[in-house]
Amino acid sequence: DSGVTQTPKHLITATGQRVTLRCSPRSGDLSVYWYQQSLDQGLQFLIQYYNGEERAKGNILERFSAQQFPDLHSELNLSSLELGDSALYFCASSVESGNGYTFGSGTRLTVV
Amino acid sequence: AQSVTQLGSHVSVSEGALVLLRCNYSSSVPPYLFWYVQYPNQGLQLLLKYTTGATLVKGINGFEAEFKKSETSFHLTKPSAHMSDAAEYFCAVTLHNDMRFGAGTRLTVKP
Repeated sequence: DSGVTQTPKHLITATGQRVTLRCSPRSGDLSVYWYQQSLDQGLQFLIQYYNGEERAKGNILERFSAQQFPDLHSELNLSSLELGDSALYFCASSVESGNGYTFGSGTRLTVV
Repeated sequence: AQSVTQLGSHVSVSEGALVLLRCNYSSSVPPYLFWYVQYPNQGLQLLLKYTTGATLVKGINGFEAEFKKSETSFHLTKPSAHMSDAAEYFCAVTLHNDMRFGAGTRLTVKP
């Protein structure tokens, strides 16, 4: 157990639908990062939150959004889902970037 | 912006042989560098990191990496491969906030 909890582990949904992925960071970590991992794109950085505020943005589509709540858990919202959104979505947390990240076990999203 | 390039998407070694996974980085200033390992159906696990100081860093499971500024490299090595080392390995770089990962190298260990 890495200390980063992601739910659900698996999600199957239809095109056009909206889903929410949840992440609880490791105790004491203020930063949360979201990554998308697919066979053709590899690990793509989506977005970072630090203590409730957006800190950095990567290759995140406009159909995707995220937030970090006062208790530091984070949610990634994916809407108008397309087949190409099928991927593993990882959440990671850290105290600061120089320490490295602690990753959760991921949510596998399948869009059918 | 910073980035890393991993040379070789697949590496195959025999059990007991040297493991060498290559990573080159691109950054305008000395970055922080990392190696992560991913086993099937799991998240990434930090193997080792370089921030400042000693350029040869030791990590878990007998792995080590050397930061070479002149070559902009951070190659990962292990003297003797074990079957349990079979996994996907990712090199990563960060300057301030987001961490950028390489495409990964799949290590296969043959008996």
